[in-house]
Amino acid sequence: KNEVEQSPQNLTAQEGEFITINCSYSVGISALHWLQQHPGGGIVSLFMLSSGKKKHGRLIATINIQEKHSSLHITASHPRDSAVYICAISGGGADGLTFGKGTHLIIQP
Amino acid sequence: NAGVTQTPKFQVLKTGQSMTLQCAQDMNHNSMYWYRQDPGMGLRLIYYSASEGTTDKGEVPNGYNVSRLNKREFSLRLESAAPSQTSVYFCASSISRRGTLGGYTFGSGTRLTVV
Repeated sequence: KNEVEQSPQNLTAQEGEFITINCSYSVGISALHWLQQHPGGGIVSLFMLSSGKKKHGRLIATINIQEKHSSLHITASHPRDSAVYICAISGGGADGLTFGKGTHLIIQP
Repeated sequence: NAGVTQTPKFQVLKTGQSMTLQCAQDMNHNSMYWYRQDPGMGLRLIYYSASEGTTDKGEVPNGYNVSRLNKREFSLRLESAAPSQTSVYFCASSISRRGTLGGYTFGSGTRLTVV
């Protein structure tokens, strides 16, 4: 049973395009997290959401608690945005985070 | 500019060898975690420590042991390494259990290969 599902698994886009990555989950949560991992790199926390919407630079994250769904948007995408984006939930009855499998994003110049 | 520090960054072991992965945080976080990351799978929890003096099993604890040495340090030990333990290991910390306050901070990872 996969409590966190992400789509798409892989996404290739051209520089400047608007990017959307989706995350659905099946249990009650206290927060949803969006994380970024560059190839061979560590994991960086982008957002922690419990309701509504957050924005940081060109990144926007939204969550709909009733529908158990979150989206991560990237505006004016750039090749340096190429990374794996990971959705994770906390407070779903377990300690720590429960992770999705990640979305591998490539932005071509 | 520390946060969560993991050592070593890379390690190659022979089957049956033992080793300890070290993790330290300087943010005064209460909870610490060890995860493994394998291709095609999400990160999975190995062990966690909700607070100093406590440790608990996560989803995939077999073959591992942990020690919460003090509030700062949480180590992961492989007593007899197996090829199935080839993975990238991440340590993480959070100020509160379940990370509801302030989120999570991750280390840079340890890439372990068991041959």
